[in-house]
Amino acid sequence: DAMVIQNPRYQVTQFGKPVTLSCSQTLNHNVMYWYQQKSSQAPKLLFHYYDKDFNNEADTPDNFQSRRPNTSFCFLDIRSPGLGDTAMYLCATSRDRQGGYTFGSGTRLTVV
Amino acid sequence: GNSVTQMEGPVTLSEEAFLTINCTYTATGYPSLFWYVQYPGEGLQLLLKATKADDKGSNKGFEATYRKETTSFHLEKGSVQVSDSAVYFCALRIIQGAQKLVFGQGTRLTINP
Repeated sequence: DAMVIQNPRYQVTQFGKPVTLSCSQTLNHNVMYWYQQKSSQAPKLLFHYYDKDFNNEADTPDNFQSRRPNTSFCFLDIRSPGLGDTAMYLCATSRDRQGGYTFGSGTRLTVV
Repeated sequence: GNSVTQMEGPVTLSEEAFLTINCTYTATGYPSLFWYVQYPGEGLQLLLKATKADDKGSNKGFEATYRKETTSFHLEKGSVQVSDSAVYFCALRIIQGAQKLVFGQGTRLTINP
């Protein structure tokens, strides 16, 4: 089945140690999004790619970066994770900027 | 700006009870409206949507009607099951200008047998 796959499902990293989260899609969608969801809160958009065009939200910390080497893959890099970055990270795709979203199952990141 | 307000949770009901989760919105343009569901430890799944006024979205026994006059999109189900226990998010998206999906704060629903 076509889908959005996130790896790993669970990630524990040390304070300050760089970490990369992965998202892949078989839907051939043009747009890929990264959301951060802290405990008991709504998902918050960090950034998105429309094809190779990167769009950063104004309040996304500089600590967070993203790469999209091809249509299928998108990575979230956290350069120096802090304790406050502990959260669920959700990847989503849409065919275009008007299309519906398909979410992955998320990566739960714990910074210790 | 664009925002979504959901009824405060958590909500606890008995099996077969009637469910309503309130959702109201403010929007600078003409939004599409969505309900997403998140089961424990999982990502978000689209439950239903409506793209214009008076549209009714429905899925798995859940329904919501897009009410432009009251800027609301309340989620209802006539008889809930234990398997409906999850967090429910109301969301909107302004299509003009390709704006992002904006979520409400979520409502945690627990159904007891």
